Amino acid sequence: DTEVTQTPKHLVMGMTNKKSLKCEQHMGHRAMYWYKQKAKKPPELMFVYSYEKLSINESVPSRFSPECPNSSLLNLHLHALQPEDSALYLCASSQEYPTDTQYFGPGTRLTVL
Amino acid sequence: AQSVAQPEDQVNVAEGNPLTVKCTYSVSGNPYLFWYVQYPNRGLQFLLKYITGDNLVKGSYGFEAEFNKSQTSFHLKKPSALVSDSALYFCAVRDESGTYKYIFGTGTRLKVLA
Repeated sequence: DTEVTQTPKHLVMGMTNKKSLKCEQHMGHRAMYWYKQKAKKPPELMFVYSYEKLSINESVPSRFSPECPNSSLLNLHLHALQPEDSALYLCASSQEYPTDTQYFGPGTRLTVL
Repeated sequence: AQSVAQPEDQVNVAEGNPLTVKCTYSVSGNPYLFWYVQYPNRGLQFLLKYITGDNLVKGSYGFEAEFNKSQTSFHLKKPSALVSDSALYFCAVRDESGTYKYIFGTGTRLKVLA
């Protein structure tokens, strides 16, 4: 089973709100990723966790705060976002990092008003 | 610099005809190459990959890709297109210069006409 789940599917938030995105995988993968994707563009890497430790932060603004509570779960905490942060947020996982194949979740469609 | 290019923004093909979606790459060393498909408002689905071995790689849903080292290409192919193949296709190469992150192409929209 190569399933990565993400909740919620859709999220609308104001610029002063605090919200969180959740990602879960039960494939025993030890690497997890957050990507941001704008319409009709390729995904852009935001963060990489390997063995529950942050390995890569692609200079993401601090209003995005990742958290990896355990090897199956990845959260993205959102605070004081801007309208330009509206996008599809994708989670992915892979066996290890670095490795070959990443498996993506369905994404959370975020709209910031 | 590591890079990948998808020269066509859109490819149109009639149902039942063969399809090709093009991808060229530039990496140092041996490339790790991938194809993903994305349906509207969905995540990316893994189709196939090339790491080493046979130049013709077979993947999901009847897709295959041909690795050509001399032309630095990794084109995606399918012998007979289906309307349900209509989607956005991304080629990716793993960055071998140190970060090992995926470098995605800009994507090609495939439209299969009934």
